[in-house]
Amino acid sequence: EVQLVESGGGLVQPGGSLRLSCAASGFTFSSYWMHWVRQAPGKGLVWVSRINSDGSSTSYADSVKGRFTISRDNAKNTLYLQMNSLRAEDTAVYYCARARRATGLYYFDYWGQGTLVTVSS
Amino acid sequence: DIQMTQSPSTLSASVGDRVTITCRASQSISSWLAWYQQKPGKAPKLLIYKASSLESGVPSRFSGSGSGTEFTLTISSLQPDDFATYYCQQYNSLWTFGQGTKVEIK
Repeated sequence: EVQLVESGGGLVQPGGSLRLSCAASGFTFSSYWMHWVRQAPGKGLVWVSRINSDGSSTSYADSVKGRFTISRDNAKNTLYLQMNSLRAEDTAVYYCARARRATGLYYFDYWGQGTLVTVSS
Repeated sequence: DIQMTQSPSTLSASVGDRVTITCRASQSISSWLAWYQQKPGKAPKLLIYKASSLESGVPSRFSGSGSGTEFTLTISSLQPDDFATYYCQQYNSLWTFGQGTKVEIK
């Protein structure tokens, strides 16, 4: 059974840093692209970042570029999101998601339960 | 950036109703569109990919159609478990979600 379990969320002051983790199990982690998606309280889903299967390629939403860094450790089956210079508008539930490609491009087939990040003084 | 617009934002319906949600892309995305269902406090769940392909395990009352810039998600006979928020997502160029459609009990 595919499982994605996020951790590392919490309360942080504006300008602070936080590192999120996503522990994967039930599939060959090193074969899949992975993503982070966030959802502000009461709002919709917003894509944040993605990383390819071996970690050699990444991309980011403009809103987090230069502040967030996605990475992975395939030996530990774990995805990370390092978040620096946090702002109030980064407050959200952060989900990790597995990407699947079926005859084309990548969409998200499994999601974790999410971890809440609150940026406030 | 590709923008995705869903309509309506909220939909009131009864069990057994046929429900249709529309999603429009700001430019052509071919068939690179997915639909997700999200219940309060839960992670999104994949329903449809490549505009009309039903994800394994998803009930056949869900169906998707469209290509280019206009897409629809149809629930043929609404069931109690279907009251939720639905999101479309394009994956033609990066990844963008619609703002969501909440299906509530009439």
